[in-house]
Amino acid sequence: QSVLTQPPSASGTPGQRVTISCSGSSSNIGSNTVNWYQQVPGTAPKFLMYSNNKRPSGVPDRFSGSKSGTSATLAITGLQSEDEAVYYCAVWDDSLHGPMFGGGTRLTVL
Amino acid sequence: QVQVVESGGGLVKPGGSLRLSCAASGFRYTDYYMNWIRQAPGQGLQWVSYISGSGITKYYADSVKGRFTISRDNAKSSMSLQMDSLRVEDTAVYYCARGVVVGELDHWGQGILVTVSS
Repeated sequence: QSVLTQPPSASGTPGQRVTISCSGSSSNIGSNTVNWYQQVPGTAPKFLMYSNNKRPSGVPDRFSGSKSGTSATLAITGLQSEDEAVYYCAVWDDSLHGPMFGGGTRLTVL
Repeated sequence: QVQVVESGGGLVKPGGSLRLSCAASGFRYTDYYMNWIRQAPGQGLQWVSYISGSGITKYYADSVKGRFTISRDNAKSSMSLQMDSLRVEDTAVYYCARGVVVGELDHWGQGILVTVSS
């Protein structure tokens, strides 16, 4: 069980706005920036969001991120069928010297 | 373009060894740290190991410490993960990922399956 808590599932219809939460503590999210990864089933994870709210080149601006205290949120507006994937939040763990991942949220586009 | 490609996976018996490789191209290899991340069947992502750009600094998840060894050959833009004393619970797809600023893994390989089974 991950110390970063994500809801196991989320869903929405095309065009809707959906949000995915990631809850942690003062020792992880509270003291480090949050990154997000998208994994379409059967493929490798893709770098989706960094430093809480920055999008790598090529990621549509339909995706946005935010952080407040010990929680972070990924928002997707104008939901599309291609957004169906598992989304992972991640935070660098200073004691681990590596990233700690949330359990993942499977997003279904109805 | 940036590419990282894993190789070397397969089926191995418990207690056995396997060596994974990751070939990188399209970027100045020594400028980036590299990582191995794994994903057990039907499960989430688990970080396994980190190596700095120089190859001097290395870190491991507790679950593999003492059994896995990470290394890199900067002259060949490649990285390896020597996995010894393998356990059934090491069964997973192993991904090689490039690291940018601390914690940001911006390019991932396609993954390679390691199956530990008798």
